Amino acid sequence: ETGVTQTPRHLVMGMTNKKSLKCEQHLGHNAMYWYKQSAKKPLELMFVYSLEERVENNSVPSRFSPECPNSSHLFLHLHTLQPEDSALYLCASSQEVGQGAGELFFGEGSRLTVL
Amino acid sequence: EDKVVQSPLSLVVHEGDTVTLNCSYEVTNFRSLLWYKQEKKAPTFLFMLTSSGIEKKSGRLSSILDKKELFSILNITATQTGDSAIYLCAVEGAAGNKLTFGGGTRVLVKP
Repeated sequence: ETGVTQTPRHLVMGMTNKKSLKCEQHLGHNAMYWYKQSAKKPLELMFVYSLEERVENNSVPSRFSPECPNSSHLFLHLHTLQPEDSALYLCASSQEVGQGAGELFFGEGSRLTVL
Repeated sequence: EDKVVQSPLSLVVHEGDTVTLNCSYEVTNFRSLLWYKQEKKAPTFLFMLTSSGIEKKSGRLSSILDKKELFSILNITATQTGDSAIYLCAVEGAAGNKLTFGGGTRVLVKP
């Protein structure tokens, strides 16, 4: 248990569906992240939130829409995805963004399959 | 753009062997280098290295950083089947907002 919980663990959706991934951290951290892990590619940072404010958006297509209602919860809203978006989506948190942000605590991930 | 390259891509060893994993990097204003172990889904933190030449050790795992040559190695001695995993290297640069990850090394330890 890392203190970061993601739901659902598995999700299959069609290209016209709308779904959301949820992440919750119980560590009292101030920063939360979405990463994408595709087969044979390095972990890619998608979004960074610090105290509910988005501080990084790594040129992610608009079909991915993050939401951070408070410092413990992070969502990734998905709509009109493409098959190439199939991947493991990992949520992570850290004490702060910036100095000392190095150690991330990851959730178990949400395995997304887009048909 | 920050870049992290890990080698080898994968390796297969037998229990009791010693494994050495490599991580080389190019990053603007280096802050730290981190190693993670990913067994099934969630990567778990192993080490954070910020200074050259100082070995970090945890049980059978150890790691060292060379900031002049821009690389780090992760050693696993007396390997066990439970060491089978993907080992990820990541660097934190000036921006501090993100880690840049390498592609990982997949290690399989056979009984």
